[in-house]
Amino acid sequence: QKEVEQDPGPLSVPEGAIVSLNCTYSNSAFQYFMWYRQYSRKGPELLMYTYSSGNKEDGRFTAQVDKSSKYISLFIRDSQPSDSATYLCAIRRDYKLSFGAGTTVTVRA
Amino acid sequence: EAGVAQSPRYKIIEKRQSVAFWCNPISGHATLYWYQQILGQGPKLLIQFQNNGVVDDSQLPKDRFSAERLKGVDSTLKIQPAKLEDSAVYLCASSRSLNYEQYFGPGTRLTVT
Repeated sequence: QKEVEQDPGPLSVPEGAIVSLNCTYSNSAFQYFMWYRQYSRKGPELLMYTYSSGNKEDGRFTAQVDKSSKYISLFIRDSQPSDSATYLCAIRRDYKLSFGAGTTVTVRA
Repeated sequence: EAGVAQSPRYKIIEKRQSVAFWCNPISGHATLYWYQQILGQGPKLLIQFQNNGVVDDSQLPKDRFSAERLKGVDSTLKIQPAKLEDSAVYLCASSRSLNYEQYFGPGTRLTVT
């Protein structure tokens, strides 16, 4: 069983739609929960991170963590074509990151 | 602030050949990471350095992969001999120290034919 499972998609939505991305994890010892965005031919960049259950907002992005269900989500409101990228969930225990497979999102103008 | 630099950006080699990748981290960053990202998968940590010491190399295939970080700055990752399944993007990342945000370079795309 993989430590982090993520639906690879792909996901295609019209501009302005809400994008919903999800991951599940297996190890309850994980401490920090992150979302990275990776544009084509680029390295991942950190979007958001959190360490507790609940919601965290940053502009159009909301990260949600449910530790009891071992489930994390990222919501993108009012999606824009510039949001088209691969989104990777990542979970950290101690100093080590475990990544999901990534979900490729295309926002159609 | 300059980002993480990697070279080359692309490399095509035949199986059984050797190849080396170079990484220059962000200035002052003590921790350096090498990841392997196979198409359709998330990055997988190969090796992690703190200054010039190895913190974790548990997922590095040591029979063919090697890495060094001399003087605690630049790093090189070598594969010898390469196999077809080594085709991937090799990402270098750095952070101020352990458990700080990791900044990724653009990666080196390796194709083994």
